[in-house]
Amino acid sequence: QKEVEQDPGPLSVPEGAIVSLNCTYSNSAFQYFMWYRQYSRKGPELLMYTYSSGNKEDGRFTAQVDKSSKYISLFIRDSQPSDSATYLCAMSATSGGSNYKLTFGKGTLLTVNP
Amino acid sequence: DAGVTQSPTHLIKTRGQQVTLRCSPKSGHDTVSWYQQALGQGPQFIFQYYEEEERQRGNFPDRFSGHQFPNYSSELNVNALLLGDSALYLCASSLLGSSTDTQYFGPGTRLTVL
Repeated sequence: QKEVEQDPGPLSVPEGAIVSLNCTYSNSAFQYFMWYRQYSRKGPELLMYTYSSGNKEDGRFTAQVDKSSKYISLFIRDSQPSDSATYLCAMSATSGGSNYKLTFGKGTLLTVNP
Repeated sequence: DAGVTQSPTHLIKTRGQQVTLRCSPKSGHDTVSWYQQALGQGPQFIFQYYEEEERQRGNFPDRFSGHQFPNYSSELNVNALLLGDSALYLCASSLLGSSTDTQYFGPGTRLTVL
């Protein structure tokens, strides 16, 4: 079993739809949870960063973490064609308050159709 | 404020050769991590450097080595290249011990091994 599981999609939605992206994980030591967006042939761009359980909202994006279920989600409201990209979830454990390696899911390819 | 930069952008090598990839961290960052991203996969952690020392290492063979310089820039070296080393190599920088301690990625170097 992989430490982080993410449905690779692809996911295709119409413009304006609400998008839900999810990851599950098995390592109870994970404390920090991130979502990155990666456009084709580019490096990952940090979208959201959360610590432990709870919700965090930033504009059209909402990240949720449920540590009891080992499940994280990213919601995108009013999706736009410019949101078309691969979305990667990433997690890390903590030691002395510092991140070590990030463990990534495979990424979900999202296409938002005009 | 310059972000993470990497060079070269693309590289083509043949099996058995050696390659050196370079990374300059985001201004103010002191920690550099390297990741390998195969096509259709999430990034895999190779190693992390802080204060010119390897701080943590992922599950990669000794053919992969690195270095960090006093100005915090870093190099990734891969010896005896294999076809399976073809991938996007990503550098990420962070500030150890900061309140968020998130990793910011560069655009990557695409390595093709023939």
